Amino acid sequence: DQQVKQNSPSLSVQEGRISILNCDYTNSMFDYFLWYKKYPAEGPTFLISISSIKDKNEDGRFTVFLNKSAKHLSLHIVPSQPGDSAVYFCAASGGTSGTYKYIFGTGTRLKVLA
Amino acid sequence: GAVVSQHPSRVICKSGTSVKIECRSLDFQATTMFWYRQFPKQSLMLMATSNEGSKATYEQGVEKDKFLINHASLTLSTLTVTSAHPEDSSFYICSARGQYGYTFGSGTRLTVV
Repeated sequence: DQQVKQNSPSLSVQEGRISILNCDYTNSMFDYFLWYKKYPAEGPTFLISISSIKDKNEDGRFTVFLNKSAKHLSLHIVPSQPGDSAVYFCAASGGTSGTYKYIFGTGTRLKVLA
Repeated sequence: GAVVSQHPSRVICKSGTSVKIECRSLDFQATTMFWYRQFPKQSLMLMATSNEGSKATYEQGVEKDKFLINHASLTLSTLTVTSAHPEDSSFYICSARGQYGYTFGSGTRLTVV
């Protein structure tokens, strides 16, 4: 049972344009969400987070939007740069587990074309 | 910022041998350490959660006798893959939870031949 889904395995965007990466979740108890960026053979690095009390969080070129009713979040990167090419994972946590476990999506490979 | 050092980054071992992967938080105390594995084109799957000084909590389907986790101090956690088999070949990543939130190690590519 995949509680966090990233339905697009890959995405190609022209440099300077907007990249939109999507993530859907099924567990309504999730209350904290993160986006990670991962280069090959490296560990993920934290990008941006959002808690369920907000519907938008912005950090420089990165903005995360949360639609709780649709159980959907998205990451917008604008303008996209070639160095943004990587795999992006969304992750969710919350509920009553108490162990701060994160459930990851399967990732979306972003390729920014110069 | 917070840094987690994970070693080795790459290891090749013979089937039946054991491999130890080490994660060390360099400038913060990791109260909780998470161990993940990732198969090609798949998500990061949580294997186990460990708190300093206590036994690790394993996710369903993860063999605790095969994947030994030790979190003896607030800055060091180890994962030992015992009696490794080719199907254990994967990318293993630790994540430490400390005062700065969650920080990942750089990962270990394990190949069992």
